[in-house]
Amino acid sequence: GEDVEQSLFLSVREGDSSVINCTYTDSSSTYLYWYKQEPGAGLQLLTYIFSNMDMKQDQRLTVLLNKKDKHLSLRIADTQTGDSAIYFCAGVGGATNKLIFGTGTLLAVQP
Amino acid sequence: GAGVSQSPRYKVTKRGQDVALRCDPISGHVSLYWYRQALGQGPEFLTYFNYEAQQDKSGLPNDRFSAERPEGSISTLTIQRTEQRDSAMYRCASSLVSAVDMTGTDTQYFGPGTRLTVL
Repeated sequence: GEDVEQSLFLSVREGDSSVINCTYTDSSSTYLYWYKQEPGAGLQLLTYIFSNMDMKQDQRLTVLLNKKDKHLSLRIADTQTGDSAIYFCAGVGGATNKLIFGTGTLLAVQP
Repeated sequence: GAGVSQSPRYKVTKRGQDVALRCDPISGHVSLYWYRQALGQGPEFLTYFNYEAQQDKSGLPNDRFSAERPEGSISTLTIQRTEQRDSAMYRCASSLVSAVDMTGTDTQYFGPGTRLTVL
């Protein structure tokens, strides 16, 4: 089955760019997602990328997909303190489109 | 409301008690998913409904866990004879598209979750 891995922690200064990385094992995911989890809140969909794309840009967010290496990254430009959260990448597994999540990366933004 | 709602938001129970967790999906959403998230981990799939039909329950850890969605809208996840290892955040998500009837995928919108603590 699908296995998704992420680095656990990233610390950046406000205004810098953040890059959160994710590797996955199953290349059959049609879509790959990035979700944001803030304390006490649900999982918020940030963006997604279709598997036949290499890159997708959405305002401050840039998603890069390297299918050969099974590597997905999320770049946040001009990181703000409000971006501090846990970020999950997720692939889609099986006929029921269930999401398979990584362990999450805690992004800490220092003022 | 416009989003997925879950109740209760917090549940503390004693070991051996039964609990029922409720999910109210976005109106009109066909697909409904339950996930469980342990501390420091990503959510893990439990079960999936297409309308009222439970199409996939492969993620339910054992037969103490069950779920239903009798009218294709609100869903209840029930845990019988709770154990301390059941303590986790239980998350519900809904999506507009039926994963069974259509190819491709659709965005899953998550509720705030129910934090279950078993003492």
